[in-house]
Amino acid sequence: NAGVTQTPKFRVLKTGQSMTLLCAQDMNHEYMYWYRQDPGMGLRLIHYSVGEGTTAKGEVPDGYNVSRLKKQNFLLGLESAAPSQTSVYFCATKGGDWVAADTQYFGPGTRLTVL
Amino acid sequence: AQKITQTQPGMFVQEKEAVTLDCTYDTSDQSYGLFWYKQPSSGEMIFLIYQGSYDEQNATEGRYSLNFQKARKSANLVISASQLGDSAMYFCAMRERRAAGNKLTFGGGTRVLVKP
Repeated sequence: NAGVTQTPKFRVLKTGQSMTLLCAQDMNHEYMYWYRQDPGMGLRLIHYSVGEGTTAKGEVPDGYNVSRLKKQNFLLGLESAAPSQTSVYFCATKGGDWVAADTQYFGPGTRLTVL
Repeated sequence: AQKITQTQPGMFVQEKEAVTLDCTYDTSDQSYGLFWYKQPSSGEMIFLIYQGSYDEQNATEGRYSLNFQKARKSANLVISASQLGDSAMYFCAMRERRAAGNKLTFGGGTRVLVKP
């Protein structure tokens, strides 16, 4: 039972390159989220999904795309990386519908540097 | 407007003493939940404690307690008997009933350094 895993853990890109971050969960959770965390700051929501085949924009979606083709996977894509996208990216999951007390389960994070 | 405000960017606390981390929030929703997370230097996000908007009693989890003042819209975290391992970033977060996707909104965090 791995919980929430993220691949890769670290990545360095050059400006203009593309990449995909993978989030995988084995908890059968409906909700999945991608956040970014910039140095010394809190987490900001990029995109989220409320179930297989669905995606929605969060607070800072520009420059990112996502897909949820399978319930257990949530992909975050950068089509043309920019230095402003240097950040730590966290995936999180949550089960079920509105239950106020449900915490989100976080992956270990991916540290991305764009040169 | 900021939904979650943590006004203390950094704090020092002496080992074995208590520390209070401030969190104020802004919502017009009647149903919401408040969360605190810890992020040590290793980077993972660790859930600490939860308080629901309808909970009449303050939440407690071991050495963590939440001082919930609904009228003031504050949800301060109290860590009692601080330990060196408590040195970390602490984030307050809120889930509003009406927020799409059941998403959490995070504050900017407070860095705590426990001195021996």
